[in-house]
Amino acid sequence: EAQVTQNPRYLITVTGKKLTVTCSQNMNHEYMSWYRQDPGLGLRQIYYSMNVEVTDKGDVPEGYKVSRKEKRNFPLILESPSPNQTSLYFCASSFATGWEQYFGPGTRLTVT
Amino acid sequence: AQSVTQLGSHVSVSEGALVLLRCNYSSSVPPYLFWYVQYPNQGLQLLLKYTSAATLVKGINGFEAEFKKSETSFHLTKPSAHMSDAAEYFCAVSRSGSARQLTFGSGTQLTVLP
Repeated sequence: EAQVTQNPRYLITVTGKKLTVTCSQNMNHEYMSWYRQDPGLGLRQIYYSMNVEVTDKGDVPEGYKVSRKEKRNFPLILESPSPNQTSLYFCASSFATGWEQYFGPGTRLTVT
Repeated sequence: AQSVTQLGSHVSVSEGALVLLRCNYSSSVPPYLFWYVQYPNQGLQLLLKYTSAATLVKGINGFEAEFKKSETSFHLTKPSAHMSDAAEYFCAVSRSGSARQLTFGSGTQLTVLP
């Protein structure tokens, strides 16, 4: 089944404790992206990647890191999480020539 | 810079009634436009997309949207609401450039009343 998977789905952590949210897709998509969803703000892009080893900042990259060492994986790293990073996070992917993005199920992160 | 405005953060309709969710955009060039739906505890799913072909676009689950350049609108409609349509709906517009970036609206929560 074609899909985007994220792990974990739920995470509660404390301020300053480094964490990684994994994202994997099995559709051979070149493009991958991370968004955060906050009430009343819709989805805002954190980082995106056009292909392996090619990443760029989105609209709200502060406090986040990403890497793209393999085509299928695009982990999101929070090296020192803060409470304002409490949010619902989505990974998405698409072909480089297309606009339809496929979304993962989301990761709900709480930073206390 | 492109922006998207969804009028009405919450919309309630009765089962069987018309669904109308409004989306207006601003863009310096003709954009691509999208409607996504998010069911509870799930990711976003593409409902339909406008990519400069026909201005009336049909999507899944009986939804359709009409691109009106003169009004910079892309409203989503469905003739008869079903209980299973209850979800949050997001309008999105493509950004210029080659980075495949989308700008999303703030979302409209649709409630369907029995």
